[in-house]
Amino acid sequence: AQKITQTQPGMFVQEKEAVTLDCTYDTSDPSYGLFWYKQPSSGEMIFLIYQGSYDQQNATEGRYSLNFQKARKSANLVISASQLGDSAMYFCAMSDAGGTSYGKLTFGQGTILTVHP
Amino acid sequence: EAQVTQNPRYLITVTGKKLTVTCSQNMNHEYMSWYRQDPGLGLRQIYYSMNVEVTDKGDVPEGYKVSRKEKRNFPLILESPSPNQTSLYFCASNGAPFNTGELFFGEGSRLTVL
Repeated sequence: AQKITQTQPGMFVQEKEAVTLDCTYDTSDPSYGLFWYKQPSSGEMIFLIYQGSYDQQNATEGRYSLNFQKARKSANLVISASQLGDSAMYFCAMSDAGGTSYGKLTFGQGTILTVHP
Repeated sequence: EAQVTQNPRYLITVTGKKLTVTCSQNMNHEYMSWYRQDPGLGLRQIYYSMNVEVTDKGDVPEGYKVSRKEKRNFPLILESPSPNQTSLYFCASNGAPFNTGELFFGEGSRLTVL
């Protein structure tokens, strides 16, 4: 079974600074995908970034990057130059890309990020 | 615009009164699923469907039913709602297995059962 752990219930960061949100995972599957989603106070789920287990390079999308350390089974999200609009709940998730849990994502508990001006 | 639409967005009901949350997607995705979000637990899968007339249980299916009579629609049915089903519900779709697995979410339906 897959498991995602986010150990930071809440994080605070000053505007314009970088912040790292932690995510560790556990799986016995050789092929999997890792995702980060943002959930603002309005409630919708916004896809941020994806990393495949066989990707050699860390994924980046604008100010978001995924620090993928396969041996340590970690997939931390780094947000550079934080903005007030980054205040939200952030979820780490993983898919079983090559297995039988067809299209399912397993989610972590979430981290609430607050950006201070 | 590609989207997943769910209704209602907000609902307050009473114990035992049957309700249906509708979900529709316009991306011709085969795979659809329902999740519930609870504080401290993240999102958990309730049911999923790989195609028309093919549905299966997720991690927390008790108290829920689904159907998939058309590719675009995947309603969630609570036959006899109870207070422990008070939650934020998300419908999602993707084009699995031929993609990364990214889920496209509806805007969420906040359900309160009194």
